Amino acid sequence: DTGVSQDPRHKITKRGQNVTFRCDPISEHNRLYWYRQTLGQGPEFLTYFQNEAQLEKSRLLSDRFSAERPKGSFSTLEIQRTEQGDSAMYLCASSPENFADTQYFGPGTRLTVL
Amino acid sequence: ELKVEQNPLFLSMQEGKNYTIYCNYSTTSDRLYWYRQDPGKSLESLFVLLSNGAVKQEGRLMASLDTKARLSTLHITAAVHDLSATYFCAVDEGGSQGNLIFGKGTKLSVKP
Repeated sequence: DTGVSQDPRHKITKRGQNVTFRCDPISEHNRLYWYRQTLGQGPEFLTYFQNEAQLEKSRLLSDRFSAERPKGSFSTLEIQRTEQGDSAMYLCASSPENFADTQYFGPGTRLTVL
Repeated sequence: ELKVEQNPLFLSMQEGKNYTIYCNYSTTSDRLYWYRQDPGKSLESLFVLLSNGAVKQEGRLMASLDTKARLSTLHITAAVHDLSATYFCAVDEGGSQGNLIFGKGTKLSVKP
């Protein structure tokens, strides 16, 4: 297994458009996390899945954001009606069942909203 | 609300010198993580510290955790240029979810 993968790596969109990102975790990792990172800041937690169940959502995740992990494997993060403030790097991470284990991060999807 | 503060935020050092990065956090947590990020890249896990007094070393980097003081340190010994990167500490927010709260990062530049 080559690690966490994310697609696309870069996305440029116009304000008001919808975008969807995909994350494929390390196989057999049942925990999956989404974070957002803006320039010069540390990643901010968005949401978390244990298998297919979405167990935690940050207040940063407005109603325009939705995430799914339908079969407990890959996950998608959709942003509807994008705003310029959504421009950021969106990072996905996965970890095994033991919550004390480190989270392994993917390469990220850089979103630019014009 | 858990807050994580790192200092310094920027660090310029010469090769061969030693320095320490500090990570303070505001509420009780027994799990602290250090990550490295190169420009335009994702985060690479460096250390996981799971108990008070934990110390881990890898090459020129050594991390320690004092849960009573709510402080972790990342010590750099005899810095080399390849260590230039941004270093983040992150603390588990609590419970079993594993949500990490990150500091703002310390941007390290090692000059010849």
